[in-house]
Amino acid sequence: ETGVTQSPTHLIKTRGQQVTLRCSSQSGHNTVSWYQQALGQGPQFIFQYYREEENGRGNFPPRFSGLQFPNYSSELNVNALELDDSALYLCASSLEAEDGYTFGSGTRLTVV
Amino acid sequence: AQKITQTQPGMFVQEKEAVTLDCTYDTSDPSYGLFWYKQPSSGEMIFLIYQGSYDQQNATEGRYSLNFQKARKSANLVISASQLGDSAMYFCAMRELGSNDYKLSFGAGTTVTVRA
Repeated sequence: ETGVTQSPTHLIKTRGQQVTLRCSSQSGHNTVSWYQQALGQGPQFIFQYYREEENGRGNFPPRFSGLQFPNYSSELNVNALELDDSALYLCASSLEAEDGYTFGSGTRLTVV
Repeated sequence: AQKITQTQPGMFVQEKEAVTLDCTYDTSDPSYGLFWYKQPSSGEMIFLIYQGSYDQQNATEGRYSLNFQKARKSANLVISASQLGDSAMYFCAMRELGSNDYKLSFGAGTTVTVRA
């Protein structure tokens, strides 16, 4: 097991731009979830993928989208960035949806 | 409605003493799981302990124990023999197993500072 790795660790973008965040899950983990954590708050669920299909979504607009690939990597894409999108974005993976999650260290996105 | 409530924004504890972090939850799902995570300044969420709603005994993992009071819907974390490395943000989270997405709902967190 190699854990969950996320890239980049830090990112600065301009309002209106698009961004792609990447996550490499533990080998064999079929489920990946993405969370947004604003400063001083708890993480908020964005969406979850199971075997490359989205199977759950939180209260986030469609400009937040994702992909999961057969090699256990995944992406979070955010279009038309807004200042409020500035946050720590966490990726979490698990073997199956009902198992415990392993989190990555996150990508800290700043929108200016 | 808030599913997880952590009422203590910050706590100070003396090294080697115990500290209790409060967590209350709200759900109508009879089957759920409760988690505690530690988040140091590096950002990674570190899993500490898990309690299932049907578990008869309180969960323990080393210096961590969970005081599960189902009727009160509380799941307090107890850290015994605090160490300087325990200084971090601590989050309580719940997963409702009746839902299809198994998402984690987190509380706002409690900052713990251990003093030497």
